[in-house]
Amino acid sequence: DIQMTQSPSSLSASVGDRVSITCRASQSISTYLNWYQQKPGRAPKVLIYGASSLQRGVPTRFSGSGSGTDFTLTISSLQPEDSASYYCQQSYSTPYTFGQGTKLEIK
Amino acid sequence: QITLKESGPTLVKPTQTLTLTCIFSGFSLSTSGVGVGWIRQPPGKALEWLALIYWDDDKRYSPSLKTRLTITKDTSKNQVVLTMTNMDPVDTATYYCAHNYDSGGGPFDYWGQGTLVTVSS
Repeated sequence: DIQMTQSPSSLSASVGDRVSITCRASQSISTYLNWYQQKPGRAPKVLIYGASSLQRGVPTRFSGSGSGTDFTLTISSLQPEDSASYYCQQSYSTPYTFGQGTKLEIK
Repeated sequence: QITLKESGPTLVKPTQTLTLTCIFSGFSLSTSGVGVGWIRQPPGKALEWLALIYWDDDKRYSPSLKTRLTITKDTSKNQVVLTMTNMDPVDTATYYCAHNYDSGGGPFDYWGQGTLVTVSS
């Protein structure tokens, strides 16, 4: 199995801050990396697919980068509604493993 | 418009078999590249990928749960069924089904609302 490791596991930031979450794969996954946002009691929602492609309807303050083993999700200007948990997931080979999640809190 | 909805028991006893059904609309599981997967999430914990069935009936399972899982599809009814045998309290989780494309290489772009399954005697 490909292991996905996210960091940090939690963070707290203020409205307007630039925030980054990283995800590292245990082996190269090219750009088969997806990012999801999940709010309490809700199903996950895809933000970024293919490492850097913005899902339709997702605000442009979200962006993704990386290839191979190291990836980053960046929120350019944090908004109150961005308070959520964020997960990376590799879709390079089954099992399509998820990271352990990052809980983002707004100060 | 793509929608998915999970259904099944909310409570199962240890050692019992869980059967979950995902009923979907807005796409066909006979379309090349399309798949439906199952993902679960124990309370307060991370997402765990369980299984995926493709348009061509190719089936993939989590290696750690492979002996307990079976995924099937009924294309005519727009349904995917997941069975998990020998349920244990650690299997208590919200179970989601989700649409996938690009023969698995794409993301899970549409999700059901999830169904909470509690395993307890």
